[in-house]
Amino acid sequence: DAGVIQSPRHEVTEMGQEVTLRCKPISGHDYLFWYRQTMMRGLELLIYFNNNVPIDDSGMPEDRFSAKMPNASFSTLKIQPSEPRDSAVYFCATSASGRGAAGELFFGEGSRLTVL
Amino acid sequence: KNQVEQSPQSLIILEGKNCTLQCNYTVSPFSNLRWYKQDTGRGPVSLTIMTFSENTKSNGRYTATLDADTKQSSLHITASQLSDSASYICVVRTDSWGKLQFGAGTQVVVTP
Repeated sequence: DAGVIQSPRHEVTEMGQEVTLRCKPISGHDYLFWYRQTMMRGLELLIYFNNNVPIDDSGMPEDRFSAKMPNASFSTLKIQPSEPRDSAVYFCATSASGRGAAGELFFGEGSRLTVL
Repeated sequence: KNQVEQSPQSLIILEGKNCTLQCNYTVSPFSNLRWYKQDTGRGPVSLTIMTFSENTKSNGRYTATLDADTKQSSLHITASQLSDSASYICVVRTDSWGKLQFGAGTQVVVTP
């Protein structure tokens, strides 16, 4: 299995620029999550999808953040315009429903974002 | 207030020694509790899952315990190795995916 694939691994941008982070989930997984990790706040849920439909976006900080899942094999997290306080590691994680899954999250390697 | 508290925040141990990490939670209702290991620069990986009826579960040199009455869990690492250096995160699941509660993690450093 290829695992959850995220790109880019590292992104350095200037304040005000648009940032797009990408995620390819594990095939067959019907849940997809976007998390943000910082030293101060740890892992925070931003949004999650079930069968490509957004279920809970209450963790999205503000209107500058948006996420889409146009199909079962691709999702994006967009920040426009970016600000220095958005600097963090953004993780995509997926999971499969069903009794055997018991809710295990499979994380990608993360996208480290630095906004100057 | 975080509903999942981990201690210690960090610890340094000598290679070959044992250590125990703690996780106390106030999350309710309780579905299950997982311990994840996160290597530097990588995503977290699940080590073990504990459900309400389970007291102890092992995964190699990792042993997790759960006391559902006191809402406490521990992760014991036996005969530590350099590769055990990582952050260990306790995650409690309630009744929905949106309510996963993450601990802040314990940073473990194993020294030669």
